[in-house]
Amino acid sequence: ELKVEQNPLFLSMQEGKNYTIYCNYSTTSDRLYWYRQDPGKSLESLFVLLSNGAVKQEGRLMASLDTKARLSTLHITAAVHDLSATYFCAVLSSGSARQLTFGSGTQLTVLP
Amino acid sequence: NAGVMQNPRHLVRRRGQEARLRCSPMKGHSHVYWYRQLPEEGLKFMVYLQKENIIDESGMPKERFSAEFPKEGPSILRIQQVVRGDSAAYFCASSPSSPYGYTFGSGTRLTVV
Repeated sequence: ELKVEQNPLFLSMQEGKNYTIYCNYSTTSDRLYWYRQDPGKSLESLFVLLSNGAVKQEGRLMASLDTKARLSTLHITAAVHDLSATYFCAVLSSGSARQLTFGSGTQLTVLP
Repeated sequence: NAGVMQNPRHLVRRRGQEARLRCSPMKGHSHVYWYRQLPEEGLKFMVYLQKENIIDESGMPKERFSAEFPKEGPSILRIQQVVRGDSAAYFCASSPSSPYGYTFGSGTRLTVV
């Protein structure tokens, strides 16, 4: 059974600081997603990571994937208040199964 | 492209009533997935359907829950005799024939009173 662990679960950081969210998963997968969710809203797709060593960047967010270590990171650079949200990683099961297994989420609060 | 459409956005039911949640996939998408999100938790897979077929229902509770994706019309997630613990956000996603185009709808927030 695929398990996805995300940490930290809660993160408060000051504007301008950098931080990293970690996502570990237990079995082989060929696709990892990062999503953002604002309170009461749906999921906004941030990144899809396909292969070992993949790195993608959008604004102040950068995601990377190490399939050998089964680890993905979401790095936040010079945080701003608008980044406050809950961030989820999700791993697509390999093979014919198509379900996404989600981490528990990281609730990020950026303080002024 | 209207995206994945879910309705209603909010649904209130009394204990014991039935809840019907609808999901219209994106144009060109033939695969539908339902997920449930309990408060303060991540999304949990429930069921995966193609037209007229349930492919994987390993995450679906054995009783009171059912799902369908008919040849015509939206996918329906049906919860019979709802209980307070069914209160959650239910998200639908769709993808084309490959699983690599997952797109989520806005969700239906079910409150059981």
